[in-house]
Amino acid sequence: GEDVEQSLFLSVREGDSSVINCTYTDSSSTYLYWYKQEPGAGLQLLTYIFSNMDMKQDQRLTVLLNKKDKHLSLRIADTQTGDSAIYFCAVLQGGGNKLTFGTGTQLKVEL
Amino acid sequence: DAGVIQSPRHEVTEMGQEVTLRCKPISGHNSLFWYRQTMMRGLELLIYFNNNVPIDDSGMPEDRFSAKMPNASFSTLKIQPSEPRDSAVYFCASSSSYGYTFGSGTRLTVV
Repeated sequence: GEDVEQSLFLSVREGDSSVINCTYTDSSSTYLYWYKQEPGAGLQLLTYIFSNMDMKQDQRLTVLLNKKDKHLSLRIADTQTGDSAIYFCAVLQGGGNKLTFGTGTQLKVEL
Repeated sequence: DAGVIQSPRHEVTEMGQEVTLRCKPISGHNSLFWYRQTMMRGLELLIYFNNNVPIDDSGMPEDRFSAKMPNASFSTLKIQPSEPRDSAVYFCASSSSYGYTFGSGTRLTVV
């Protein structure tokens, strides 16, 4: 089955850019997602990218997809303390509607 | 739209008791998912339904766990009997074409 991997922790200073990385194994993946989870809350959909795109920008968020290397990244520009959360990469397997989630990356924003 | 609604938000129960978690998906979403989140194992898919029919229950840990979806607007996840190792946050999600929408979760503590 699909395997989705992320690094566990990232620490950045307020105002810097954050880059959260994700790798996956299933080349037939169709949609790829980024979710944000704040403490005590559910997962909130941040953005998604279709597999035939290589970049998507949405305000401070930029998603890059390297389909050849099966690598997805989320860049947050001008990171703020309110961006501190766990960020999950998720991949939709081709032909189905089952999402496979990564382990999540805990982003800590320091002043 | 009220989003995906889960109840209760918190549940504390004694080992051996029956626990029932409830979920109301977003109207018009035809897929519903139950996830469990723990520190050790991250997000695990337990079961999912398409059009009220269980499609994949391979993630259900044991026979003590059961899930039903009697109609398009309601689902339950039951644990009977509960054990301390079932303590986790249980999320329900429903999906449209653009990804999953998660509920706020039920934090279950079995003592």
